[in-house]
Amino acid sequence: GESVGLHLPTLSVQEGDNSIINCAYSNSASDYFIWYKQESGKGPQFIIDIRSNMDKRQGQRVTVLLNKTVKHLSLQIAATQPGDSAVYFCAESGGAGNMLTFGGGTRLMVKP
Amino acid sequence: DVKVTQSSRYLVKRTGEKVFLECVQDMDHENMFWYRQDPGLGLRLIYFSYDVKMKEKGDIPEGYSVSREKKERFSLILESASTNQTSMYLCASSWTTDTQYFGPGTRLTVL
Repeated sequence: GESVGLHLPTLSVQEGDNSIINCAYSNSASDYFIWYKQESGKGPQFIIDIRSNMDKRQGQRVTVLLNKTVKHLSLQIAATQPGDSAVYFCAESGGAGNMLTFGGGTRLMVKP
Repeated sequence: DVKVTQSSRYLVKRTGEKVFLECVQDMDHENMFWYRQDPGLGLRLIYFSYDVKMKEKGDIPEGYSVSREKKERFSLILESASTNQTSMYLCASSWTTDTQYFGPGTRLTVL
């Protein structure tokens, strides 16, 4: 993930709409990717992960897409709810023994 | 479910005090991590441990030390707290260096 400076990018969506949060990574050797959700004042919560041998993985209301060609990861949230409001950030790992590298995050705001 | 707990949610200390932050995980994970999180800087790794009594420096170890006497417990120590150590401190644990599970965080204020 990329550092985003002092201000987090913000995505504002209407309740019930679908949300797409993007993450670019720079290490072409990264083979494992995770999305975390962090609500205000709480620790990051694991949402979904994907390995580089896949390009799509689905969970409950969430889908992660991986495009290795352009080194891009996205998180799609279906039927966004107020409880989805949080900061979302991606993390990548280059394999066994490699630590996670975290992106700067995107703030998702859901309007009722 | 993985459970990672941290001893305090909020902590206020004075400059020069010695501060202990405790983290406990109940999943028999080998690896444990301490991060600090600051606006605009994201998560930065302070120290990690891959086994009891083992520790490795992360990206910003200066001013911190750690202790891992038991597998389930990883402590972060600020020997002499300073105002620039005011931050959110996050503990995490994992089986491998892949998926890390985080605790709720400790918001430390140093006056």
